[in-house]
Amino acid sequence: DAGVTQSPTHLIKTRGQHVTLRCSPISGHKSVSWYQQVLGQGPQFIFQYYEKEERGRGNFPDRFSARQFPNYSSELNVNALLLGDSALYLCASSTGPSTEAFFGQGTRLTVV
Amino acid sequence: DQQVKQNSPSLSVQEGRISILNCDYTNSMFDYFLWYKKYPAEGPTFLISISSIKDKNEDGRFTVFLNKSAKHLSLHIVPSQPGDSAVYFCAARASWGTYKYIFGTGTRLKVLA
Repeated sequence: DAGVTQSPTHLIKTRGQHVTLRCSPISGHKSVSWYQQVLGQGPQFIFQYYEKEERGRGNFPDRFSARQFPNYSSELNVNALLLGDSALYLCASSTGPSTEAFFGQGTRLTVV
Repeated sequence: DQQVKQNSPSLSVQEGRISILNCDYTNSMFDYFLWYKKYPAEGPTFLISISSIKDKNEDGRFTVFLNKSAKHLSLHIVPSQPGDSAVYFCAARASWGTYKYIFGTGTRLKVLA
């Protein structure tokens, strides 16, 4: 069985640009969460979606947005990129919002 | 305000010995705790979890202990193997509002052959 898959694996963008990161959850999982991991820190919660509805948002600016599609895949969008947005972006899926989350390999975003 | 703390950034242990990784938390409303292992260039891998109503959970070589009064949990790995070398993250689940995980900063474990 395929685990959580994220694309792309690596990305380089210029300040001010926009980026879209994609995530496909484990089959049967209806909840997707997004986390940002900066070097030397633990993952920080950005969003959680369940059944295509936003269930929670972390302390991130409005430049960050996300959505979940009918097939439960998800996109994370970041507008007006800043150097500080450079990080590993992790997607996690779970059967429901309160069950164990399984992480993808992440997308390494570098903003130059 | 770091609600989940892993105060040891690194730990080295001889192969075959016990590895003990520690984690402290500040919010008594966390109801579920997890440990994740992370290799470079990979996402975190779920290792073991414990509910706040228990004080111990065991899975093979891995045991997690929870001391609610001290707001402390630990992960024991016995015996340690070189393949266990990775960064270990402790996470606590916030069960109010959003079911998000709050992670510690990680402990890098190195198991020496």
